[in-house]
Amino acid sequence: KAGVTQTPRYLIKTRGQQVTLSCSPISGHRSVSWYQQTPGQGLQFLFEYFSETQRNKGNFPGRFSGRQFSNSRSEMNVSTLELGDSALYLCASRKGLAGADTQYFGPGTRLTVL
Amino acid sequence: AQTVTQSQPEMSVQEAETVTLSCTYDTSESDYYLFWYKQPPSRQMILVIRQEAYKQQNATENRFSVNFQKAAKSFSLKISDSQLGDAAMYFCAYRSFRTPLVFGKGTRLSVIA
Repeated sequence: KAGVTQTPRYLIKTRGQQVTLSCSPISGHRSVSWYQQTPGQGLQFLFEYFSETQRNKGNFPGRFSGRQFSNSRSEMNVSTLELGDSALYLCASRKGLAGADTQYFGPGTRLTVL
Repeated sequence: AQTVTQSQPEMSVQEAETVTLSCTYDTSESDYYLFWYKQPPSRQMILVIRQEAYKQQNATENRFSVNFQKAAKSFSLKISDSQLGDAAMYFCAYRSFRTPLVFGKGTRLSVIA
């Protein structure tokens, strides 16, 4: 079974621009979560989607948004990029929302904001 | 809010030896799950082992085992017969039905040949 895939793997943007990252979950997984990883803040939860609905949201400004499609693929968008948005963005999928469902991570998208 | 604390930013171990990574967490929930993830230099986060809080028996996966002390809210990871490929960042994480995955700051493990 193919793992979680994320595109693009690397991205360079300038301040003020917007960016869209994509995540394709493991086949059969209906939940997709997004995390931001930085050296200073560590791993922080952004949001989780299940059946095209946002189920949970972390403490990030409204510039960070996401959506999920009917095939469970998810995208996250960051508008008006700031230097502090430079990070590794990780996507994780799991079968459902049960606590027992293990999350499997993709390789991440490295975003650099200049 | 639930928190996860890893008090050892860095650890090292000789190849073939055993090392234990510490993790404590804070929660008022009774039903939750604990995980150890490994992140090698490639940055791909890999699940190492998981533990259900309602299970008293400690989880084991080959050379990896945990010491789960629910009352003490402690969840340590023991790596036996350490190998060079075990070198990575290790993250302890907590999740419940209501709470998304919460990570500790991580422990960087070096394996010395």
